[in-house]
Amino acid sequence: DGGITQSPKYLFRKEGQNVTLSCEQNLNHDAMYWYRQDPGQGLRLIYYSQIVNDFQKGDIAEGYSVSREKKESFPLTVTSAQKNPTAFYLCASILDNADRGTYEQYFGPGTRLTVT
Amino acid sequence: DAKTTQPTSMDCAEGRAANLPCNHSTISGNEYVYWYRQIHSQGPQYIIHGLKNNETNEMASLIITEDRKSSTLILPHATLRDTAVYYCIVRPILRGAQKLVFGQGTRLTINP
Repeated sequence: DGGITQSPKYLFRKEGQNVTLSCEQNLNHDAMYWYRQDPGQGLRLIYYSQIVNDFQKGDIAEGYSVSREKKESFPLTVTSAQKNPTAFYLCASILDNADRGTYEQYFGPGTRLTVT
Repeated sequence: DAKTTQPTSMDCAEGRAANLPCNHSTISGNEYVYWYRQIHSQGPQYIIHGLKNNETNEMASLIITEDRKSSTLILPHATLRDTAVYYCIVRPILRGAQKLVFGQGTRLTINP
């Protein structure tokens, strides 16, 4: 999974609790992303961040929050306001250097969150 | 973002070439075509990308039509481990973080 770690792999929570999913990368990538995937569905973008202390909402940001205090870390908090939080959550990072024609993207192994 | 259209599923015999099509008729001149794949319960894996010329790497080849409205990902000698969902997306070549919009992809099954 190319230097991106997500922990834990499986997470169980009771309804009404906030939970924070970890995403760490040691690739020196600037951009990081959070996606959600439901069974049989494609990936949907939750939040993304281009640089430290900056992030933008994706298509389904409601009920989620993020922070980017360090380049290496982009934690995602699933709040109690998220109506259907049970899903597979994927973190990704990108190094995109158009000047050098280089492109690297790696996804983490994912965290499967179950809320009951 | 330009949208892409892919067949929902495809089958291919082991050892044969797997050709996965993708339509991106609304692609803009500054957008690349990217391909990823996702093996069950794992994070997606980047495969290849291109702008207008055909590209080849150790994993696959990418053929882009001259009008850039469609492309084909070719796995030259498919193995059972190539069974996965394959995603075709387009994104601008502008620097900085850009949204990556993943559709439902093509579920490719390699049969022995």
